[in-house]
Amino acid sequence: DGGITQSPKYLFRKEGQNVTLSCEQNLNHDAMYWYRQDPGQGLRLIYYSQIVNDFQKGDIAEGYSVSREKKESFPLTVTSAQKNPTAFYLCASSIGESDSPLHFGNGTRLTVT
Amino acid sequence: DQQVKQNSPSLSVQEGRISILNCDYTNSMFDYFLWYKKYPAEGPTFLISISSIKDKNEDGRFTVFLNKSAKHLSLHIVPSQPGDSAVYFCAASGAGGTSYGKLTFGQGTILTVHP
Repeated sequence: DGGITQSPKYLFRKEGQNVTLSCEQNLNHDAMYWYRQDPGQGLRLIYYSQIVNDFQKGDIAEGYSVSREKKESFPLTVTSAQKNPTAFYLCASSIGESDSPLHFGNGTRLTVT
Repeated sequence: DQQVKQNSPSLSVQEGRISILNCDYTNSMFDYFLWYKKYPAEGPTFLISISSIKDKNEDGRFTVFLNKSAKHLSLHIVPSQPGDSAVYFCAASGAGGTSYGKLTFGQGTILTVHP
């Protein structure tokens, strides 16, 4: 059963600590994305990757880092430099063409105190 | 600058009636538009899309209309069912090879369908 798996569903961290959110897909999709959702707002693009070993900044990349060492995996690190890290993080994938829909995981709720 | 706007934060509809969700955009380079449905604490689920070369696309109870001159699109759900109650996001992507599924999302509209 193909899909996108994000883990964990809930994550709690102390301020000043880096934290890595996992995203794995078995859809054989080339492109992967990280979005952030805040209350009352739409999803905002953090980073995206069109192919293994390559990724680009989205609209709100500051304070985040990613890697794409395998086609199936696109982990996101929320660093201590991110000023407002508490949010709902969504990973997505697609076949990578300009008119293809994104398929989303079920998200990770990160709370930093 | 909000390039994709959903100006109605919420919509309440009676079961069996039509739900109409609206979306406006400002970037004339957008050429592909999508609607997603989202339940709390879950990821968005793709519903329906439309290319800018069309003005209507239909899939079962869901129809999306695109008015390019007005930079406006709408999602019609007929008939509405209680299970349709969710947050609906409008999204758009731009032309060109660099778009690669980079979607710009609206703020979302909470649809509540009453039995």
